[in-house]
Amino acid sequence: GENVEQHPSTLSVQEGDSAVIKCTYSDSASNYFPWYKQELGKRPQLIIDIRSNVGEKKDQRIAVTLNKTAKHFSLHITETQPEDSAVYFCAAPKRGSSARQLTFGSGTQLTVLP
Amino acid sequence: DAGVTQSPTHLIKTRGQQVTLRCSPISGHKSVSWYQQVLGQGPQFIFQYYEKEERGRGNFPDRFSARQFPNYSSELNVNALLLGDSALYLCASSLDRRANYGYTFGSGTRLTVV
Repeated sequence: GENVEQHPSTLSVQEGDSAVIKCTYSDSASNYFPWYKQELGKRPQLIIDIRSNVGEKKDQRIAVTLNKTAKHFSLHITETQPEDSAVYFCAAPKRGSSARQLTFGSGTQLTVLP
Repeated sequence: DAGVTQSPTHLIKTRGQQVTLRCSPISGHKSVSWYQQVLGQGPQFIFQYYEKEERGRGNFPDRFSARQFPNYSSELNVNALLLGDSALYLCASSLDRRANYGYTFGSGTRLTVV
């Protein structure tokens, strides 16, 4: 099935700095790549997603880039704030899935230090 | 407008027992998916239902079953509970089968098997 690897597992940044989280996937046919933010004890929330027909997508301080050739996609958070502290998960459709069955990465614990 | 609602929020069961978890999708959403999230890991896909039919199944034993009702709500059943079934069970709904508009997760049911 689809294999999604996520790095780093933990990331600490100073408030105001940028944070980058990277994921690689194995299925070259994958065409949808969401990112979820999960605060402690809460549900995963979709923060941004990208489809394979574009290379980059931005939403205020958050951006996602996609390199289809290398089969990796990255989450970029600029001007980090303490409320950005959470676990971030990337995901990709399960191989052979026709219905958006997602395979998630193992998560990155982001800590923004004041 | 209510989001995805799950019940109960917490549950403690004994090994060998059976459990039923419930999910109501966002109004108008016809697809419901179930994910298992073990502490410290990303969610793992269990089932997807669309228009009351099973559209996908993850790598889980037959002890796990689910169904979707005419009002698009869903139940997840787990029989013969094992300690390893302890996890956060997340329900996610989407407007269409391919989740072209992304998934919205509920807050989950925290199942503890003792």
